Amino acid sequence: QKEVEQNSGPLSVPEGAIASLNCTYSDRGSQSFFWYRQYSGKSPELIMSIYSNGDKEDGRFTAQLNKASQYVSLLIRDSQPSDSATYLCAVVNSGGYQKVTFGTGTKLQVIP
Amino acid sequence: NAGVMQNPRHLVRRRGQEARLRCSPMKGHSHVYWYRQLPEEGLKFMVYLQKENIIDESGMPKERFSAEFPKEGPSILRIQQVVRGDSAAYFCASSSLAPPGNEQFFGPGTRLTVL
Repeated sequence: QKEVEQNSGPLSVPEGAIASLNCTYSDRGSQSFFWYRQYSGKSPELIMSIYSNGDKEDGRFTAQLNKASQYVSLLIRDSQPSDSATYLCAVVNSGGYQKVTFGTGTKLQVIP
Repeated sequence: NAGVMQNPRHLVRRRGQEARLRCSPMKGHSHVYWYRQLPEEGLKFMVYLQKENIIDESGMPKERFSAEFPKEGPSILRIQQVVRGDSAAYFCASSSLAPPGNEQFFGPGTRLTVL
């Protein structure tokens, strides 16, 4: 069973702080990783993709990947109340047809 | 640039009726995935289809559920003889499988309520 694990939270951070969301995965051969944001009652929205070890920055978002540790994270700088949502980590499995496995998500609450 | 479309957005059925959920993938995408999400729970993979082919249905219940993606028209997820436990949000996603990765884009979902 190829798994993706996330802390369900809620993770509460004050407005303006850095929110750090973490994800571990079991498939050592995975090469593609995604972060989705899902607001309550809405569908998941792709916000970051990362394929290489290291950091990838996009605006206030930074994705970090460490394949040796099988760990991927998402940092949100200058957190805003509008960032309050559930963040889903998704990992493309190695082998087969590139099946995507989703974590159960971390609920983030940004406190004004 | 139309995204993934799903209809209906809300569907109410009585126990024992049939539910048909439709999904039109993003332009240029030929791969469709269906997921189910119960309130306050994660996404549960159901089925992966390409045009006229079911590639992976490992997440779909063996009975009452079926899916298709015909050569022409939308993908359809069909639930026969619905029960209250089928009440959930059903999301469709599509991808092109173009390198480097399998980015999936989601539709707005269909909220199914079984009375």
